[in-house]
Amino acid sequence: GESVGLHLPTLSVQEGDNSIINCAYSNSASDYFIWYKQESGKGPQFIIDIRSNMDKRQGQRVTVLLNKTVKHLSLQIAATQPGDSAVYFCAEPKNTGNQFYFGTGTSLTVIP
Amino acid sequence: NAGVTQTPKFRVLKTGQSMTLLCAQDMNHEYMYWYRQDPGMGLRLIHYSVGEGTTAKGEVPDGYNVSRLKKQNFLLGLESAAPSQTSVYFCASSTAGTDTQYFGPGTRLTVL
Repeated sequence: GESVGLHLPTLSVQEGDNSIINCAYSNSASDYFIWYKQESGKGPQFIIDIRSNMDKRQGQRVTVLLNKTVKHLSLQIAATQPGDSAVYFCAEPKNTGNQFYFGTGTSLTVIP
Repeated sequence: NAGVTQTPKFRVLKTGQSMTLLCAQDMNHEYMYWYRQDPGMGLRLIHYSVGEGTTAKGEVPDGYNVSRLKKQNFLLGLESAAPSQTSVYFCASSTAGTDTQYFGPGTRLTVL
């Protein structure tokens, strides 16, 4: 069946380094993907999205890469800062069109 | 522009008690959602609404009811709370079913 999953549940990086968070999906028909950031005790916050007609999209310090061949997404955070410490998860729409699958998330810890 | 707000932020109930969680959004979004988030699991959809006066079941609807009497508000009710309903509840809204969902800050509910 369809699923959204993450390769690594936890990731620790040194402040200033780049972070890469990965996400696998199984529905090759998915045409839209979203990355969310969730800080402790807060609600998920939209970071960036990408449509399936794109391979790459850049935001402020973040880049999302989409590899449709292997059904893989990645979120790259440049010059990671302590404020980036959070759980990051990806989401894709279900076939019904009214719902999303949400991954369980990767916990990013930034070491000062 | 407050976005999505939720009340209350915290609540402790005894088994069998009832309560209503309120979600409000000021973005004129048609779609609204209620999720629960449990440790080690992704967001799970309880109920959703595609417009004022409409509601639909999500992935885990049992034990919950919802109402959408006004476009900006979406209420989640627990008629007879059970310990299994201890969770963090998030409300979200979007312009359409396949568009980015914006989340509220969450309500942490404990059922004793």
